[in-house]
Amino acid sequence: NAGVMQNPRHLVRRRGQEARLRCSPMKGHSHVYWYRQLPEEGLKFMVYLQKENIIDESGMPKERFSAEFPKEGPSILRIQQVVRGDSAAYFCASSPVHFQLAGTGVNEQFFGPGTRLTVL
Amino acid sequence: GQQVMQIPQYQHVQEGEDFTTYCNSSTTLSNIQWYKQRPGGHPVFLIQLVKSGEVKKQKRLTFQFGEAKKNSSLHITATQTTDVGTYFCAGPRSGSRLTFGEGTQLTVNP
Repeated sequence: NAGVMQNPRHLVRRRGQEARLRCSPMKGHSHVYWYRQLPEEGLKFMVYLQKENIIDESGMPKERFSAEFPKEGPSILRIQQVVRGDSAAYFCASSPVHFQLAGTGVNEQFFGPGTRLTVL
Repeated sequence: GQQVMQIPQYQHVQEGEDFTTYCNSSTTLSNIQWYKQRPGGHPVFLIQLVKSGEVKKQKRLTFQFGEAKKNSSLHITATQTTDVGTYFCAGPRSGSRLTFGEGTQLTVNP
């Protein structure tokens, strides 16, 4: 059972370009979460999606950032007109059940290897 | 809003020494999770605590959830070089967020 897959693993963009980060959740998982991690810092929640729906995007910057999880294919995090401050590791996580619906069962999130974005 | 704070931010120990990281939430948590991230790696789930006062052990790791369900700790006995990494606690927030602490970065000197 393959884990969460993310690509590319490393992405270099110049200021003003677009970055597209892809995430394929684990088989059977329909819940996807995106996090951003700056160097030496914790994980900051960005967005939670289910298939074809954005459930919670309260952690996403209002401009330039968007996310989708289409019926077919991976989840995409898109950053338009990147700036140097966007340089970070972006992690995707998936779970089979939304953690708050799982009751007292274990409801861990499975993380992908991340995409390290560098903006020149 | 809810905050999850961890201390210390950094901890350097000699191999064989014990290590503890503490997690405090500004609000009561329904559960708390712990993750480990190796240098250059991604977070990996360690455990989830649900009950007030719960204590769980995984070999040399002991996890505790406070009676008020607002704090938690991770204790490692006799650290080894394989324990190196950053340990994060995370608690569910209203809505869909999982709020992570800032993490404690552990280095172990052989």
